[in-house]
Amino acid sequence: AQSVTQPDIHITVSEGASLELRCNYSYGATPYLFWYVQSPGQGLQLLLKYFSGDTLVQGIKGFEAEFKRSQSSFNLRKPSVHWSDAAEYFCAVGASGTYKYIFGTGTRLKVLA
Amino acid sequence: GAGVSQSPRYKVAKRGQDVALRCDPISGHVSLFWYQQALGQGPEFLTYFQNEAQLDKSGLPSDRFFAERPEGSVSTLKIQRTQQEDSAVYLCASSLYTGTQYFGPGTRLTVL
Repeated sequence: AQSVTQPDIHITVSEGASLELRCNYSYGATPYLFWYVQSPGQGLQLLLKYFSGDTLVQGIKGFEAEFKRSQSSFNLRKPSVHWSDAAEYFCAVGASGTYKYIFGTGTRLKVLA
Repeated sequence: GAGVSQSPRYKVAKRGQDVALRCDPISGHVSLFWYQQALGQGPEFLTYFQNEAQLDKSGLPSDRFFAERPEGSVSTLKIQRTQQEDSAVYLCASSLYTGTQYFGPGTRLTVL
């Protein structure tokens, strides 16, 4: 069965520091992978997605993620965090050609001024 | 509109009341999804429509939950005889077909 693990429930970084949020998935074939961000009281905004091709994908707001098949990972990175990045981040996996997304439990990011 | 909209944004219900949550998908999007997000959790799939056809309702937690999309556009999620465990944020998403899903702001349901 498909599953997504986000091992870090909370992460705190200082503004300007680099960020890496971890995501591991379990799926038999090559999945579709997504990162969404959710600000308090808001819905989910798509940051980036991986379907196929180049394993390093660029997203909005300066985020990028790298698909590593050997590690079943799709970690999200940002070289320099801004205070406005404080939010909850969700990794999701979808099976190719199907519609169901499986979400991780999220990582809440706190940014220190 | 430009994005997925949901109404109401907040709903408080007394236990036992019926509620109806509305979703307006992105214009032209064939697929529509409902998710339930409990506090501190990721969204969990409830049901999926392709146009007006409900193709998957495997995630609906009980027969008190009912969803419809009669004209293949707006969708309504109805919860009958609400229980405290129904308290959650209900998210609607739409996509062109089976591609990227775009989410609405959600409806926060609190059952007292």
